[in-house]
Amino acid sequence: KAGVTQTPRYLIKTRGQQVTLSCSPISGHRSVSWYQQTPGQGLQFLFEYFSETQRNKGNFPGRFSGRQFSNSRSEMNVSTLELGDSALYLCASSLAGDRVEKLFFGSGTQLSVL
Amino acid sequence: GDSVTQMEGPVTLSEEAFLTINCTYTATGYPSLFWYVQYPGEGLQLLLKATKADDKGSNKGFEATYRKETTSFHLEKGSVQVSDSAVYFCAYSGGYQKVTFGTGTKLQVIP
Repeated sequence: KAGVTQTPRYLIKTRGQQVTLSCSPISGHRSVSWYQQTPGQGLQFLFEYFSETQRNKGNFPGRFSGRQFSNSRSEMNVSTLELGDSALYLCASSLAGDRVEKLFFGSGTQLSVL
Repeated sequence: GDSVTQMEGPVTLSEEAFLTINCTYTATGYPSLFWYVQYPGEGLQLLLKATKADDKGSNKGFEATYRKETTSFHLEKGSVQVSDSAVYFCAYSGGYQKVTFGTGTKLQVIP
């Protein structure tokens, strides 16, 4: 079974641009979560989607948005990029349920904002 | 608010030494607790979990016991190997698919 796939692996953007990251979950997983990982803050929860609906949202500005498609694939978008958005963005999928049993992570997209 | 606190790193140990990484949490109710591990250049992998008080999670020689009375979930291993060098994250989930992670503890094991 293929794991969680994130594309692209690396991105370099400049301030003010926007970026879209993609995540394909493990087949059969209906929940997709996104996390931002930085050396200073660790992993910060961005949002979680299930059946094309956002169920949970972290404390990030509205510049960060996401969506999920009917095949459970997910995208996240960051508009008007700032230097502080440079981070590793991790996607995780799981079997949907009221309680988390296990998150399966992709290798991440490393975003550098210049 | 809910949070996870784990010991600062980096932790440097000699091979075959005993490992403890402390983790405490602040949460209401009965959260599930996890330890994840991240190897260089990779995403996180679940190492072990516990879903109720007094449960012991174990995997690959690592163990952690869910202590509700002390709100702790310390990670231990009796004899570390060089291949255990990685970053370890304590985490909890109070419901749905939102997981709160600690800041991570980098472990370096030297031969």
